[in-house]
Amino acid sequence: AAGVIQSPRHLIKEKRETATLKCYPIPRHDTVYWYQQGPGQDPQFLISFYEKMQSDKGSIPDRFSAQQFSDYHSELNMSSLELGDSALYFCASSRSLKTGEKLFFGSGTQLSVL
Amino acid sequence: AQSVAQPEDQVNVAEGNPLTVKCTYSVSGNPYLFWYVQYPNRGLQFLLKYITGDNLVKGSYGFEAEFNKSQTSFHLKKPSALVSDSALYFCAVRGPNTGRRALTFGSGTRLQVQP
Repeated sequence: AAGVIQSPRHLIKEKRETATLKCYPIPRHDTVYWYQQGPGQDPQFLISFYEKMQSDKGSIPDRFSAQQFSDYHSELNMSSLELGDSALYFCASSRSLKTGEKLFFGSGTQLSVL
Repeated sequence: AQSVAQPEDQVNVAEGNPLTVKCTYSVSGNPYLFWYVQYPNRGLQFLLKYITGDNLVKGSYGFEAEFNKSQTSFHLKKPSALVSDSALYFCAVRGPNTGRRALTFGSGTRLQVQP
């Protein structure tokens, strides 16, 4: 079965650079969530989209932005990168916004800021 | 605000013994509770969820969880642990009345099953 695809798998950037992370949800899933997981930390919710509109906002820094496109894939744009942005970034998708829907997670993008 | 607490950073159990990973939650209204497992360098995988109905929920890989409303707990259990169960386990909650559709995760519990 198709899963959530994230690219790239690994990304190395320097401070003050920009990065773009991509997420391709499971087919027919219209909801995408972005999470950030620092080393040894629990996943922290950043932002979510439903039907190409932002549905919820968590602890996403102002330096970051995201959007969901017409084909439902999503991109997380990160600017003015800081050392503290080094983390594993997960994307998850679900069939709808219904509260009981389970999330399917991608394998994540490991971002290292040097 | 919704929150989840996993009081144990690590749980050690011998293979074949029963295991319990603890989780308590705080949310307005009836909770939607989930357990996810994370293997090294992998995304989180869904194990089970509680929405409504029977307090004992059965999930993947022989895991089950018991919802206890009075104790606001949702402990993960398995009657007989396997070495391959060793991983990081996250409890998560989503409250229907908060407007927050995203899951809020606990801090995670590392399960170590010794052969």
